[in-house]
Amino acid sequence: DQQVKQNSPSLSVQEGRISILNCDYTNSMFDYFLWYKKYPAEGPTFLISISSIKDKNEDGRFTVFLNKSAKHLSLHIVPSQPGDSAVYFCAASAVSGSARQLTFGSGTQLTVLP
Amino acid sequence: NAGVTQTPKFRVLKTGQSMTLLCAQDMNHEYMYWYRQDPGMGLRLIHYSVGEGTTAKGEVPDGYNVSRLKKQNFLLGLESAAPSQTSVYFCASGAGRQVQFFGPGTRLTVL
Repeated sequence: DQQVKQNSPSLSVQEGRISILNCDYTNSMFDYFLWYKKYPAEGPTFLISISSIKDKNEDGRFTVFLNKSAKHLSLHIVPSQPGDSAVYFCAASAVSGSARQLTFGSGTQLTVLP
Repeated sequence: NAGVTQTPKFRVLKTGQSMTLLCAQDMNHEYMYWYRQDPGMGLRLIHYSVGEGTTAKGEVPDGYNVSRLKKQNFLLGLESAAPSQTSVYFCASGAGRQVQFFGPGTRLTVL
């Protein structure tokens, strides 16, 4: 049973336009959400995050929105650039056992077309 | 700072062989994690450690063992490799807050 779902395996966007990546979760214990970006043959790198007490967090071209009632978050990239082409993972954080643990979605491959 | 490093980058094993994956971090983080990533799936937690000398099971611990003898190192062992353990393995470290920092990964194939 996937607790974090990214229902779109892939997304193609024209350079300069907005990219919107979506993520849904089921566990109400998640209190922090993160987006990671992954290039081929590299490890995931942290991109942006949001606490469950907020509904928006912005960092340059990247904005994350959180809708707690719908258990949904989204990542907006404006404007999209070819270098943004990568796999984006949504992750949710909660305390489990003796540590905070991350639960990852299956990822969305973003392709930004020049 | 090298961040999180993993050794080796690639490995091919035969069924039943054993091996150890090494993770090292130079950020003085207390927490370290081992994940596996399979096609079409997100990263799944295998084992983690909240400090030197401690380890705990994650979501998919069967077939793996870990050790954290030094704060900066976290070892993942496969005692008897199986084809189902073919995967990309990522190590991560963190300060116990939300963000984890990942290594470049080890691609393991078990024939």
